[in-house]
Amino acid sequence: SSELTQDPAVSVALGQTVRITCQGDSLRSYYASWYQQKPGQAPVLVIYGKNNRPSGIPDRFSGSSSGNTASLTITGAQAEDEADYYCNSRDSSGIYVFGTGTKVTVL
Amino acid sequence: QVQLQESGPGLVKPSETLSLTCTVSGGSISSYYWSWIRQPPGKGLEWIGYIYYSGSTNYNPSLKSRVTISVDTSKNQFSLKLSSVTAADTAVYYCARVLSGSGSPGVPYNWFDPWGQGTLVTVSS
Repeated sequence: SSELTQDPAVSVALGQTVRITCQGDSLRSYYASWYQQKPGQAPVLVIYGKNNRPSGIPDRFSGSSSGNTASLTITGAQAEDEADYYCNSRDSSGIYVFGTGTKVTVL
Repeated sequence: QVQLQESGPGLVKPSETLSLTCTVSGGSISSYYWSWIRQPPGKGLEWIGYIYYSGSTNYNPSLKSRVTISVDTSKNQFSLKLSSVTAADTAVYYCARVLSGSGSPGVPYNWFDPWGQGTLVTVSS
């Protein structure tokens, strides 16, 4: 089965830029989606497709993809962006998989 | 806008069957795929499976032998049954709608939105 690997944790200074990566073979064929999860809350979609943001998601969140790697970039990180972030994709059999998750700390 | 709400017992005994229902409000369950996702305490997200409103399903291979997802379009609900549960099945269970699209140059993609608030199910005697 396919797997999606993320760095366990990253930190970013307030107002600076951080990139979170997600690696997996399925990303060569399907774009990833990205979810933000704060403690005790349900995940919230922040990026889907090539680089689409749902209504209400700030434009400091952006997505990109190259080869087997998808990336979520937060440009000008804010204190409220401190959270866990998960990527997700699927394979040709319709099996979905979530990434291992990245904890983002805003310093 | 579409909202999802999970419901069901918060405590299940080992070896029994976990049963949850997701009620869809603010829109029709028809013409969409719907999914169950879970998260053990302090751990990451795990996709359980999905169902199309017509009834076709697909499950996580690691859970396939124990999982059944069904849909009741008349009630705008879909349900999860997980049999022979153990403590490892203790988790927050979420339901979510699955959407799909195709970017350029024709690269497909899917996403989960919206999500329910989640319900904690504890497996314990």
